[in-house]
Parts: sequence; structure tokens; C-alpha cells
Amino acid sequence: EPEVTQTPSHQVTQMGQEVILRCVPISNHLYFYWYRQILGQKVEFLVSFYNNEISEKSEIFDDQFSVERPDGSNFTLKIRSTKLEDSAMYFCASSEDTSRQYFGPGTRLTVL
Amino acid sequence: GDSVTQMEGPVTLSEEAFLTINCTYTATGYPSLFWYVQYPGEGLQLLLKATKADDKGSNKGFEATYRKETTSFHLEKGSVQVSDSAVYFCALSDFSGYSTLTFGKGTMLLVSP
Repeated sequence: EPEVTQTPSHQVTQMGQEVILRCVPISNHLYFYWYRQILGQKVEFLVSFYNNEISEKSEIFDDQFSVERPDGSNFTLKIRSTKLEDSAMYFCASSEDTSRQYFGPGTRLTVL
Repeated sequence: GDSVTQMEGPVTLSEEAFLTINCTYTATGYPSLFWYVQYPGEGLQLLLKATKADDKGSNKGFEATYRKETTSFHLEKGSVQVSDSAVYFCALSDFSGYSTLTFGKGTMLLVSP
């Protein structure tokens, strides 16, 4: 079965640094998503992306966050200036239509 | 807004025991309900789903019934195996907009031989 992949599996960064989390969605999918899970808390929706633009975003997704699909295969999440509270597991998902989302294994981001 | 509450873990069981993981939800309208499973080192995988009241989702011996009257979607399995050890997430989607998922916190299941 096709899979969503994410790199790196674990990213450690210093507070204030920029990070880019990368995802390769399933190739024929059209809808892309980022979620995050802070340790011990719920998985939270960040943003959805369709037709090369953001379609929905949550309150968490402020000006420090951005997403991009730079080359038709990758889907990236950038955090401009990381804070301690950005430490979390970040999940990418994609879907062919809106009925089922396929998730990647996640990137664990640790901000020191 | 929409929310999902599921029982705290870890749930520790012996092989062949009966499993129930409780999940209740709050939503406007008539959401679709899902159970996702995450095995160690892997992504969230859809385990089963139900799209309307009284529907029963089932897969790999797991079942959950969409109960509108109790706003619940409890996950059950009659006889768990060691390989079922994972984190289980209850989620809903109201299919408005781009069908974002609202998740519960996840429940870790540990099955011992």
C-alpha cells in the first residue's frame, strides 16, 4: 500500500531557529494536512492545503508557521522561529478526496 | 466546538482478554467517527470508521458502533493479541470544509503473553 513518508524522524533545534519538516504525500492525492501532538495531549489540526493554497487553518497556525508544496511531490511545514512550546510530534497526512486521510509516521521536534 | 474524549491509558491486558476503549464525542450535526491505530514507529492508520448513527465499523476483529443517543463510539475486541499493542485514537470529522479530523488524546494498549 502506498505510504506517506516524513523526514526527519527526529529534529532537535535551538529556540529561535527555523525548522522545515518534510513530507512526501501519496502521489495521486490532492489534499494535504499537518497535525501535531504535544506529549500527553491530543492530536491537533494545524492546516489543510488544496490546490496550492491553504484551505483551512487552526488558531495554532499563526504567522510563525507556513506550508509549501515546492515541487509537486514534497509538502513542507516551516516554523520560522521555534519556541519551547513547539516541541511536539508533527504528523503529515494526505487524501485523494475528503473521506479518508493517510498519515505519515511523524517527526518528533524537540526545541531546546 | 467539536471534541473527543477517550479513556486514559495505559490499558494493560493479558492475551485473549476482552478489550473496551471508551470514546465519547461532542459535535454539532452528524459527524463521521473513526478509530486510528499507531504501532510503534509508524504513522496513524485508519482502523475502522462509521459514518452514520447505528453503523458498526469493523476491521481485524475490532468493532465500534456509532451511538448517537449516548454520543459514543467505543472500541471493542473479543480476544486481544500481543500484536494489538499500540496507541488507539478516536476521532471525528464533520466533513465541513476540508474534513479536518478532531482527535482524542489516544489510549495506549499493552497486551502481555
